[in-house]
Parts: sequence; C-alpha cells; structure tokens
Amino acid sequence: EAGVTQSPTHLIKTRGQQATLRCSPISGHTSVYWYQQALGLGLQFLLWYDEGEERNRGNFPPRFSGRQFPNYSSELNVNALELEDSALYLCASSFRTGYEQYFGPGTRLTVT
Amino acid sequence: KQEVTQIPAALSVPEGENLVLNCSFTDSAIYNLQWFRQDPGKGLTSLLLIQSSQREQTSGRLNASLDKSSGRSTLYIAASQPGDSATYLCAVKSGNQFYFGTGTSLTVIP
Repeated sequence: EAGVTQSPTHLIKTRGQQATLRCSPISGHTSVYWYQQALGLGLQFLLWYDEGEERNRGNFPPRFSGRQFPNYSSELNVNALELEDSALYLCASSFRTGYEQYFGPGTRLTVT
Repeated sequence: KQEVTQIPAALSVPEGENLVLNCSFTDSAIYNLQWFRQDPGKGLTSLLLIQSSQREQTSGRLNASLDKSSGRSTLYIAASQPGDSATYLCAVKSGNQFYFGTGTSLTVIP
C-alpha cells in the first residue's frame, strides 16, 4: 500500500512569490492535515481537511490557504512568501478524524 | 491553550538499556495522544496512538501509557538498539487542534 506522498520534494522561491505544495493521502483516507516544521520551532499545526471541507486551521495568517479535492488529495498555497516561511511542510492523512495520522516525507520550502 | 512538553530534550543510552520518554500536556481534555519518531530530514513515522479512554498501547518493544488526570504520557522502549536512535515526538488532539511536543532526541550507543 502506498504511503502519503508529497510534491515537490524541494521548492525554492523568492520573497513575495507564491508556493503550491501538493499531498496525496493513503488510499481510503479522507482526512488530510498540514504542518509546518521550521528550524527550532517544532511542528506547528496549519490546516485540517476532512471530506473536502476545512475543519480547522492553526494560528497562521490568511496567506496560508489550501483545499481538498474530491479524490481527497490536497494542496497548500502560501502567498506573498516571507523569509520566515522557509521550513519543512509535512502532510499527514488518517482514515477518519481521530484515527492514527500517517505522515509524508515533506516538502522543503526555501524562500530567498 | 494546550502546551505539550517533552523532557529531556536529549538522551544518550548504551545499547540494551530499557528507557522511558516523557510527554506532559497542560489541558487534560484531549481526544487522543500519538507517539512518532522522526529521523533526520525525514517525515514522521507513527509508533502508537492512544485514545483518551485508553490507558496504554503496546507494539513490539514499545509501550505507551496515558494518564489524562495528571497530563502525562510515557513511551517505554525495551532493550534499546542503535536503530532506535531518532527524535521521538508526542502529539495530542485537543479540541480541533493538534499540538506537538518539541521532541526527545535519543541516541543509542552500540
């Protein structure tokens, strides 16, 4: 069974640009979660999607947004990139809300 | 606001030792707690999930316990091996938010 996949592996953008990160959950999983892991800050919860709806978001500005598609894959968009957005962005999926979360390998975003 | 703490931040043990990693949380109203390991530069690997109604979960050499009333969870690793070297993270679902500890970096010395 394929795990959670994320693309691209690495992304380099300049300040002010937009970044789009993609996540495909494990087959059969309907919940997708996005996290940011910045150096020295630990994992911070960003967004949670379930059955195509945004269920909740963490303490991040509105320029962090996303969506979940009918096939349950998800996209994270970061607009007006700032240097401090440089981080590892991790996506996770679970069968349903409250079930075990399985993580993808992450997308490393570097903003110069 | 929920806060999750893991102490110690780093731990070094000789191979074969049994060890305990600690996770504390400030709000006992949690839905579940999950333990992960993270290898350098990689994503997270799920180890154990404990629902709020459970007291412990076991998988192979790993045993995780949960005491909601005291806001604590422990991860017990039996007969540690060099391959266990990684950062161990705990995470709680509280309300509709997910909170992670900053992890314990474990080194098992051959």
